[in-house]
Amino acid sequence: EIVLTQSPDFQSVTPKEKVTITCRASQSIGTSLHWYQQKPDQSPKLLIIYASQSISGVPSRFSGSGSGTDFTLTINSLEAEDAAAYYCHQSSRLPMTFGQGTRLEIK
Amino acid sequence: VQLQESGPGLVKTSETLALTCTVSGGSISTYYWSWIRQPPGEGLEWIGYIDHNGGTSYNPSLKSRVTISVDTSKNQFSLKLNSVTAADTAVYYCARTPMSTYTYFDYWGQGTLVPVSS
Repeated sequence: EIVLTQSPDFQSVTPKEKVTITCRASQSIGTSLHWYQQKPDQSPKLLIIYASQSISGVPSRFSGSGSGTDFTLTINSLEAEDAAAYYCHQSSRLPMTFGQGTRLEIK
Repeated sequence: VQLQESGPGLVKTSETLALTCTVSGGSISTYYWSWIRQPPGEGLEWIGYIDHNGGTSYNPSLKSRVTISVDTSKNQFSLKLNSVTAADTAVYYCARTPMSTYTYFDYWGQGTLVPVSS
């Protein structure tokens, strides 16, 4: 099973700040890495597919990069509505797995 | 596209958890359809999928207890998890993969909390 490790687990940030969340895979997964946002009491929402491809309707301040084992989700100019948990997900090999999540708190 | 989970709100230890996901706004006869769960306050775990040909794949951690099936006439797919314990208490989500292989999930149900209690 491919293990995804996110860092940090938790971050408290101020509006307009730039945020970087990393996801490291236990083995190479190419670009089969996707990012989701989950707000309290909501289902996850797809943000980025295949490491860096944007999704229609997702604000342009969200971007992704990386390949192989190291990936990054960047949120430029953070807004209050971005308070949520963020998860990476790999679909390179079965079983599909998720990172443990990164919780963002807005100060 | 909308997905909606349904099923009993409580399951007893050692019994079978059974949930159904009803898909509206699109045909279930295309793409891949998954079940994913999230214990309270924890992360996400993929349970398994059923594909457009009725083929299935399950997480090895649950494989001996899981069955996913589809009813194309009702545009529904279902999850059965046998011999549940308190560790199976979670919010259960159904989700769609909009491709002919397993990859990302673009639509999710709202989720249903299933407590397991003795």
